[in-house]
Amino acid sequence: AQKITQTQPGMFVQEKEAVTLDCTYDTSDPSYGLFWYKQPSSGEMIFLIYQGSYDQQNATEGRYSLNFQKARKSANLVISASQLGDSAMYFCAMREGTSGTYKYIFGTGTRLKVLA
Amino acid sequence: DSGVTQTPKHLITATGQRVTLRCSPRSGDLSVYWYQQSLDQGLQFLIQYYNGEERAKGNILERFSAQQFPDLHSELNLSSLELGDSALYFCASSVGGGLFEKLFFGSGTQLSVL
Repeated sequence: AQKITQTQPGMFVQEKEAVTLDCTYDTSDPSYGLFWYKQPSSGEMIFLIYQGSYDQQNATEGRYSLNFQKARKSANLVISASQLGDSAMYFCAMREGTSGTYKYIFGTGTRLKVLA
Repeated sequence: DSGVTQTPKHLITATGQRVTLRCSPRSGDLSVYWYQQSLDQGLQFLIQYYNGEERAKGNILERFSAQQFPDLHSELNLSSLELGDSALYFCASSVGGGLFEKLFFGSGTQLSVL
């Protein structure tokens, strides 16, 4: 069974500082994808970054980077130089499965508040 | 704008009723996913369709059903509604449903069952 765990219900960070949001996953499948999404208070879900299980380097997208530690089964999101607009709910997600029958599951989320 | 359209945005109904939620995926996307987001259970995967066929099933109740039509739009039917079905229902789409594809989400349908 696949499982995504986000142990931090809420986080605070000072504006312009970096913050790490934790995500651990559980899978026995060697092929999987890990994703992070942002959900602002307006409610929409916005894709941020993804990491494939075979990728050798950590993914980066602007101020977002994914700290992928395969042996520990963790995929933490690092946001550098936090901005007030980063205040939102953040979800870690995983996709695994055989061809055509992938399930795409989400963690319970971490609510990030950026302080001025 | 993600390109995924969900209607209606808000829906208020009574227990025991039936409702239909509609989703139009991004142009060119063949896969459609449905999710339920409630305060106590996070984002729950319900079901995925690829080019009209069911591909994966999550924690979807028997009272719920979905389908994807030849024009690729999808509908989620919720029947015999209960108070606990009140939630935000998201539709998402992707190009083909591959392992490393990101999802594009609609703005959701907020369902309130009174």
